Order: sequence, then structure tokens, then C-alpha cells
Amino acid sequence: DGGITQSPKYLFRKEGQNVTLSCEQNLNHDAMYWYRQDPGQGLRLIYYSQIVNDFQKGDIAEGYSVSREKKESFPLTVTSAQKNPTAFYLCASSIPGVPSGGYTFGSGTRLTVV
Amino acid sequence: GESVGLHLPTLSVQEGDNSIINCAYSNSASDYFIWYKQESGKGPQFIIDIRSNMDKRQGQRVTVLLNKTVKHLSLQIAATQPGDSAVYFCAVQTGANNLFFGTGTRLTVIP
Repeated sequence: DGGITQSPKYLFRKEGQNVTLSCEQNLNHDAMYWYRQDPGQGLRLIYYSQIVNDFQKGDIAEGYSVSREKKESFPLTVTSAQKNPTAFYLCASSIPGVPSGGYTFGSGTRLTVV
Repeated sequence: GESVGLHLPTLSVQEGDNSIINCAYSNSASDYFIWYKQESGKGPQFIIDIRSNMDKRQGQRVTVLLNKTVKHLSLQIAATQPGDSAVYFCAVQTGANNLFFGTGTRLTVIP
């Protein structure tokens, strides 16, 4: 079955540490996205990539970094510069633009700072 | 920029009743609209979409209504079931831009 997989499901980070969230898709989608979700708020775009080796900042990119070395993979690193990283992180993919049916989402990673 | 808001953050309905979730958007040039359902601890799942050249679209037990005059979108769920309990998001696209998501309405179905 084609889909998008995020790992781990739960992640704990100590103060000052960088952590990397994994996102892999086998849908042959060119575009991939990272969103942050906080309680009572909508999904906020962190970074997105329309093609391999290219990515753009979203609305809340500060304290995050990404890479897109392979079409299937779009890992997100939460750096120590992100002062409030505790949140639910969602990865999504699509063909370029917004096709019928919108984005396909992964099941999310819940990051907690301890 | 775009802003998308849902009228109520929470909604409780009796099992078997119809549910209506509303969403307002700001950009009159928006041309594609999607409703997503998100269950606890999971990613959003596509429910139904509509383009700006339509004002109504029906799926299985769900109907989306679009009123471009007042920039309003609604999701109607018929005969609401306990499995419909979730957070519902509207998402809006304008031209070739990325989707912009609303804040979500939590629907609770009372047995």
C-alpha cells in the first residue's frame, strides 16, 4: 500500500538538543510539507519542498531545518534554537500544486521537551 | 494574507442528528476548498472537496456547501455517528499557493 510514514510516533528531547523527525513516502509525490500543530490552533507550515534538492521556508521556519536529498524523504530537524518545540508535527505530500484530494498526511510525531 | 476561521471550536450533537460545521475565509480569489477529519493522535484525512465553480457537493453522508458571496463554507454530516467524533478542519487554496488551514472544530457525538 502506498502511504506516508512518520517516525517516531513519540519523541522526547532534552533542552539544548537537536532532534530529527523522519518522513518517508512511497506515493511518488514530488511535493512534501512539514506542519506544526498546537492545541486549539490550525496547522502551521514550517517548510515545504516542491522538488528534490529544493525547499522553501513556511510561516514558522525559525529553529527548524530540512533536507530533500531523495524524492521519498523529507526529514525535519528541530534545533536548539526552537524555544518552544513541544508540539504535534505532521508531514504531508502531494503532486505539485494542490491536486484534487489535497495533501496526504502522515500519522504525526508528538515531540515533548523534558 | 489568507485567514481561515471556524465559527465554533467545539460542537456536541446527539447520535443520529445532523451536524453542521462552518468555516469562513478571507480571500475572495480562493478557488479550492477541502474538509479534513482528524482523529486523536492521527494525521488529517480527506473527507470532501469543492472548487469555486460549484456551490454544493455531496459524498457519503457528507455535503459541502460553498457561498462565495459571503466567503463561507460548511460541512454537513447526516445521521451523525460516534465514529464521527473528531476534529474537523477546512483548508483553502488560492491559485497555485499552498493550502491554508483553519483552526478546527472538535465534534463530539453523544450516544
